[in-house]
Amino acid sequence: QLQLQESGPRLVKSSETLSLTCTVSDGSVSSSRSYWGWIRQPPGKGLEWIASIYYSGDTYYSPSLKSRVTISLAASNNQISLRLSSVTAADTAVYYCARQPRGFAMIRGIINYFNIWGQGTLVTVSS
Amino acid sequence: QSALTQPPSASGSPGQSVIISCTGTSGDVGGYNYVSWYQQNPGKAPKLIIFEVDKRPSGVPDRFSGSKSGNTASLTVSGLRAEDEADYYCSSYAGNSNLVFGGGTKLTVL
Repeated sequence: QLQLQESGPRLVKSSETLSLTCTVSDGSVSSSRSYWGWIRQPPGKGLEWIASIYYSGDTYYSPSLKSRVTISLAASNNQISLRLSSVTAADTAVYYCARQPRGFAMIRGIINYFNIWGQGTLVTVSS
Repeated sequence: QSALTQPPSASGSPGQSVIISCTGTSGDVGGYNYVSWYQQNPGKAPKLIIFEVDKRPSGVPDRFSGSKSGNTASLTVSGLRAEDEADYYCSSYAGNSNLVFGGGTKLTVL
């Protein structure tokens, strides 16, 4: 059963860059059958899609975060990475990585559902 | 402020049915059949329960069903059980390779 595990600093200073890694187990980030994404959830609030990526290098970003976000794959380590620059307190959230099945929608750039999620990691931005 | 509008709360007694709405626009819910629903228990990651409006992943009870009419999608939970108490989120493709979520609905089983 595919498993995802997020990791990275729990505390980031305001104006700095948040960097997270998601390690995939019992599966491959280079699989042609999967896209990979990041979603976040501020404490007590709703979910927000951040970005998605395919092993070929195709990337998709939320318009509201696009200027500050980079998503990438490290196939050798079977990891998906997220970088969010110039963070503020508003970026404090639980960050989840998740898998999206490749299908009719995703191959056309239609961001679809996430069927396997990591447990999430809380990142706090401090001033 | 979330792009999709959900009621903050919903409730029902065991055995009853509850409907949770998710209202968007013609640019998201109304324009595409790519609405998903997630169940989230406290301190846990979301779990996919409905995708592409009305499809259920393997292992999700058929008490959960999805539908859409115009710019509003709905999640129906039939035969409510205590373990259904959770937060529920909808999401929809919103064009231009963008995905939006609703603000979430807290379902209470009375």
